[in-house]
Amino acid sequence: DAGVIQSPRHEVTEMGQEVTLRCKPISGHDYLFWYRQTMMRGLELLIYFNNNVPIDDSGMPEDRFSAKMPNASFSTLKIQPSEPRDSAVYFCASSSHRDVNSNQPQHFGDGTRLSIL
Amino acid sequence: DQQVKQNSPSLSVQEGRISILNCDYTNSMFDYFLWYKKYPAEGPTFLISISSIKDKNEDGRFTVFLNKSAKHLSLHIVPSQPGDSAVYFCAASVGIQGAQKLVFGQGTRLTINP
Repeated sequence: DAGVIQSPRHEVTEMGQEVTLRCKPISGHDYLFWYRQTMMRGLELLIYFNNNVPIDDSGMPEDRFSAKMPNASFSTLKIQPSEPRDSAVYFCASSSHRDVNSNQPQHFGDGTRLSIL
Repeated sequence: DQQVKQNSPSLSVQEGRISILNCDYTNSMFDYFLWYKKYPAEGPTFLISISSIKDKNEDGRFTVFLNKSAKHLSLHIVPSQPGDSAVYFCAASVGIQGAQKLVFGQGTRLTINP
């Protein structure tokens, strides 16, 4: 089991540039979640997909943020244009069942540390 | 509006003693509560969970207690080991639109001193 794979691990870019974060969920998982971690707010859910379809994007902070899931094995989170306040660690997670119980928890990738200068 | 709160940003405990991490929540509709553990430069990993219909769940050295009337849960680690040093996130789930969303607290950094 390769786990959830995120790329890049680190991204440093200048304000105004487009940033694309990538995620490969665990094979067979039908739910995919994007989170953002900051010191002030901890881990926040941005958006989640079920069977490649966006279900709830109420956590997406602004129109500058967009997420897609073109197929079951790939998702992107895009920020355009990026701003310094977007600097954070972005996590992708996947799960295989609707119920968040001890047998079917969300599995997280190792995150992308994003720094916008 | 922080629905899940971990009021202690850090906690330091002697090896072999008990570690107690606390979490408070405001939404009475939460139906599951979870603890995740996070090491630096890694993603959170699931540790233990508890259903809202129970008040205790135990897994080895880890026990989670739920007090619904107080809207409070805690994680007990006994005995504490150096490898337990990590950031611990409390999370709560609520079923919306046919799926479970996780709401996380800000995390508590636990340091186990030898």
